[in-house]
Amino acid sequence: ETGVTQSPTHLIKTRGQQVTLRCSSQSGHNTVSWYQQALGQGPQFIFQYYREEENGRGNFPPRFSGLQFPNYSSELNVNALELDDSALYLCASSLAGPTGELFFGEGSRLTVL
Amino acid sequence: KQEVTQIPAALSVPEGENLVLNCSFTDSAIYNLQWFRQDPGKGLTSLLLIQSSQREQTSGRLNASLDKSSGRSTLYIAASQPGDSATYLCAVLSGSARQLTFGSGTQLTVLP
Repeated sequence: ETGVTQSPTHLIKTRGQQVTLRCSSQSGHNTVSWYQQALGQGPQFIFQYYREEENGRGNFPPRFSGLQFPNYSSELNVNALELDDSALYLCASSLAGPTGELFFGEGSRLTVL
Repeated sequence: KQEVTQIPAALSVPEGENLVLNCSFTDSAIYNLQWFRQDPGKGLTSLLLIQSSQREQTSGRLNASLDKSSGRSTLYIAASQPGDSATYLCAVLSGSARQLTFGSGTQLTVLP
């Protein structure tokens, strides 16, 4: 039990639609990161938020965007969905800032048809 | 650009064996290295975290080592059990974005 909760656990969208994924972490975890994991591969870094500011971004297009709220919960938004966006989306939080140990949630499985 | 490689991609051993999983990374300027376990369709469970200044960490039957200068880490599992069957992922935290870069994982099967 990592204390990181993601919702929804599964969802199906069609190409061109928009999706919002949510993450709730433990109290005091001021850093949240999002990762995309395609089937059979390791997770890929999307971006990180620290104290409500984007603190780093991986090689993902601008249609991937995020928010971190004052209570340190977070959202990942993906616009104009493409078939290749089908993946497991993982949220991770850290108590010790951007270089601390990361604790992951169970993920949101997105299927784009 | 940081790259992480894990060898072997898959491993099958009989119950009770000791085993070693290998991880290598290309850029030694890391903050830390983490080993994770992932069960099918599930999230990641953190097993061990080694800070860049440390050489090894132990937790129960698990021991992880880090040789930052050579860009290598190993995860040693003692007396393996069927419940250890999972995919094991190595990840290094590095870069100005402070991102975790993952290997593709080692899929471990422990046979009863």
